Amino acid sequence: GAVVSQHPSWVICKSGTSVKIECRSLDFQATTMFWYRQFPKQSLMLMATSNEGSKATYEQGVEKDKFLINHASLTLSTLTVTSAHPEDSSFYICSARKLGGSPYNEQFFGPGTRLTVL
Amino acid sequence: GENVEQHPSTLSVQEGDSAVIKCTYSDSASNYFPWYKQELGKGPQLIIDIRSNVGEKKDQRIAVTLNKTAKHFSLHITETQPEDSAVYFCAASIITSYGKLTFGQGTILTVHP
Repeated sequence: GAVVSQHPSWVICKSGTSVKIECRSLDFQATTMFWYRQFPKQSLMLMATSNEGSKATYEQGVEKDKFLINHASLTLSTLTVTSAHPEDSSFYICSARKLGGSPYNEQFFGPGTRLTVL
Repeated sequence: GENVEQHPSTLSVQEGDSAVIKCTYSDSASNYFPWYKQELGKGPQLIIDIRSNVGEKKDQRIAVTLNKTAKHFSLHITETQPEDSAVYFCAASIITSYGKLTFGQGTILTVHP
């Protein structure tokens, strides 16, 4: 149990276009989903926290108008990178907390999405 | 906010040896400390976690210890195998309604056959 999927697993796009990444909890309902960005040989950096039915909370330095997050249901959150530029190329990873799960904040991670902007 | 420091950044061991990775955290309110293993091109996988009400936890070849006074926790892998080679991340979290994790910088573990 506690499987999180992401789609697509990789995507290549042209500079200036927008890209949408989906994060789904397959066998549980997620009260909260998190979006991370990971550059090569670096750690995971939290971008935003997403709660179902409410606006996402963005970390300092993350542009909310550039990285649009929608958490429309308890099993789906989407991240849209708008007007993507080469510097947005990165590995984007989502995670999810179970609704009614442990209060100790266990998160289950997706497999990640590799974004390359040409 | 919370700051997590992880050492070493790289660790090379021979198959069968033990490996130890150490992390320190800054916020004494942190009470959940997971460890993740990340293979190339994949998302992190939880391998073990510890909560602030215990000092040690073991799962087969993997163990984690926590020293709340010193604010540090460690991952111990015994009888290492080549398939243990990966990047390992520690993290810390404060029990809240959202549960935000702060990650360490990561350790590249290489186990030589």
